[in-house]
Amino acid sequence: DAKTTQPNSMESNEEEPVHLPCNHSTISGTDYIHWYRQLPSQGPEYVIHGLTSNVNNRMASLAIAEDRKSSTLILHRATLRDAAVYYCILRRNTGANSKLTFGKGITLSVRP
Amino acid sequence: KAGVTQTPRYLIKTRGQQVTLSCSPISGHRSVSWYQQTPGQGLQFLFEYFSETQRNKGNFPGRFSGRQFSNSRSEMNVSTLELGDSALYLCASSLLGQGATAPLHFGNGTRLTVT
Repeated sequence: DAKTTQPNSMESNEEEPVHLPCNHSTISGTDYIHWYRQLPSQGPEYVIHGLTSNVNNRMASLAIAEDRKSSTLILHRATLRDAAVYYCILRRNTGANSKLTFGKGITLSVRP
Repeated sequence: KAGVTQTPRYLIKTRGQQVTLSCSPISGHRSVSWYQQTPGQGLQFLFEYFSETQRNKGNFPGRFSGRQFSNSRSEMNVSTLELGDSALYLCASSLLGQGATAPLHFGNGTRLTVT
């Protein structure tokens, strides 16, 4: 699977928008961009995924660059409960729910 | 709908022993995968099962093994435990047939400590 690169950490203020970047310069045409987050003492939780177009759901928005070499996860109003490690990963359609390669992720801190 | 259930939640073993961890997927999910999480290496893929067959395997020694039962429940086994096997072991389940769009649903893991 192609690799992703994320900053180690970011800080945000409560109730402000947060933009979490991810670079995936070696992405292939069939790779989907997925985001997961992991709260303390829990397993990772699915957040959102996309292929080419921007995506919105109740948790977040995903903005994908036109060349697909980068993407940004947008939390519209950060809350203290959003403090977590956020992972950007790529998944390829191989027929199986193939192994995922998680990087170190971004540790998001939210200030009250 | 119940989430992914992993048992036990915590486990302490000594070097040389073996351990079996259990995972019950979400009802209807037939794919189960296992991950090891450590502070130094992050989340690493161990293996994936569906239809009771191992479909993918990560880069781990043969001491790590698993199996899946006909009801999709899965177990993983680690034999001859080493100190470096201390980690959080996570199980994830997902639906089949959705390819790379299928979200993974993770359990809260089993924290294994080897002394």
